[in-house]
Amino acid sequence: ETGVTQTPRHLVMGMTNKKSLKCEQHLGHNAMYWYKQSAKKPLELMFVYNFKEQTENNSVPSRFSPECPNSSHLFLHLHTLQPEDSALYLCASSSGTSVNEQFFGPGTRLTVL
Amino acid sequence: AQSVAQPEDQVNVAEGNPLTVKCTYSVSGNPYLFWYVQYPNRGLQFLLKYITGDNLVKGSYGFEAEFNKSQTSFHLKKPSALVSDSALYFCAVRAYNNNDMRFGAGTRLTVKP
Repeated sequence: ETGVTQTPRHLVMGMTNKKSLKCEQHLGHNAMYWYKQSAKKPLELMFVYNFKEQTENNSVPSRFSPECPNSSHLFLHLHTLQPEDSALYLCASSSGTSVNEQFFGPGTRLTVL
Repeated sequence: AQSVAQPEDQVNVAEGNPLTVKCTYSVSGNPYLFWYVQYPNRGLQFLLKYITGDNLVKGSYGFEAEFNKSQTSFHLKKPSALVSDSALYFCAVRAYNNNDMRFGAGTRLTVKP
């Protein structure tokens, strides 16, 4: 798992806070992803970036704002979240073609109070 | 859009017995199918994938999966389960022409000594 790192590992925030999640991949991949994992639900794909360009936004509320400054770094900026946004947020990367598997980071456990 | 169903929330097997974790999929065109495993407090780890060719795919840690086009299934199997195989298993599908990977809700495998 050292190929994809995520910080922080745990985050507790109030509904009025602004925070950011960070993801970094050391695998030379060109595609990066944000997923939301809630208990007993399928992983929800949130955003996809390919060569720093956003190629997918699965109807994610605007209180989640992604940023991809380069192919190795991905951020998720959080603002005025709701308690139902509490979940494990996973970052992944791949070499960008559909045949290739994704490599996941350990996730950030987010709790919104 | 593609989708995956994992009909069992929980699978329990005794150590040394064979195990099967079920997955069915729906996709337009040829599917790319994947299995991932998630241990507590960790991200998802890739186990194996089917792209084309032989319907029986072998992967990490002695796992294998059989692609069945007529039944649209991709069940995960292992001939002899270990206690250390206890984890959450996810099946995923991608269409051949995009990066959008859809995951199932996961199946919790418990192997008892």
